[in-house]
Amino acid sequence: EIVLTQSPGTLSLSPGERATLSCRASQSVSSKSLVWYQQKPGQAPRLLIFGASSRATGVPDRFSGSGSGTDFTLTISRLEPEDFAVYYCQQYGSSGYTFGQGTKLEI
Amino acid sequence: QVQVVQSGAEVKKPGASVKVSCKASGYTFTAYYMHWVRQAPGQGLEWMGMVNPTDGNTNYAQKFQGRVTMTRDTSTNTVYIELSILRSEDTAVYYCARELPGQTYFDFWGQGTLVTVSS
Repeated sequence: EIVLTQSPGTLSLSPGERATLSCRASQSVSSKSLVWYQQKPGQAPRLLIFGASSRATGVPDRFSGSGSGTDFTLTISRLEPEDFAVYYCQQYGSSGYTFGQGTKLEI
Repeated sequence: QVQVVQSGAEVKKPGASVKVSCKASGYTFTAYYMHWVRQAPGQGLEWMGMVNPTDGNTNYAQKFQGRVTMTRDTSTNTVYIELSILRSEDTAVYYCARELPGQTYFDFWGQGTLVTVSS
């Protein structure tokens, strides 16, 4: 089973700053299957990025995804107050779907 | 518009079973797989498995095989998850989430159902 490790566990930034979140896989992952979600307290996850770098419908262009192989990154160019949340990466492989443990982005 | 509405919170005793429903509307029910993902309190997301509404075929995560059953009812556009032999570690919010076949991501999620297992 592919294990996804996200770092940092918690990221403390201010509105207007740039956020860089990492997702590292224990073995190579198809870029097609690397996904990012945002989750706010008490809410279901929301799809942000699919195929490692494609924004989902309605996602602002300050969100971008990149990477390949075992290293993937979610970047938020200029943080807005509503961006403070937990972010999860996810991949699909032969054993099914696995998620990273999450990065909490806090003010 | 797309809606996925789950049944309400449940409280169960250890050893019991629970069945949670997920009713879809606003799209062609059989065009999307439906997955179940759970989240223990304060923890991350865990994929449990999926059902194909077209034919009822399922694919369960190895961890839950033998204890989980996912079904669908095409007359009501509803999918179900039943988890048996509940233990305290099964206390979690259970989400259904849809996937367009082959996309490998979940583009729409239900609101979640809290299942509490406690004696």
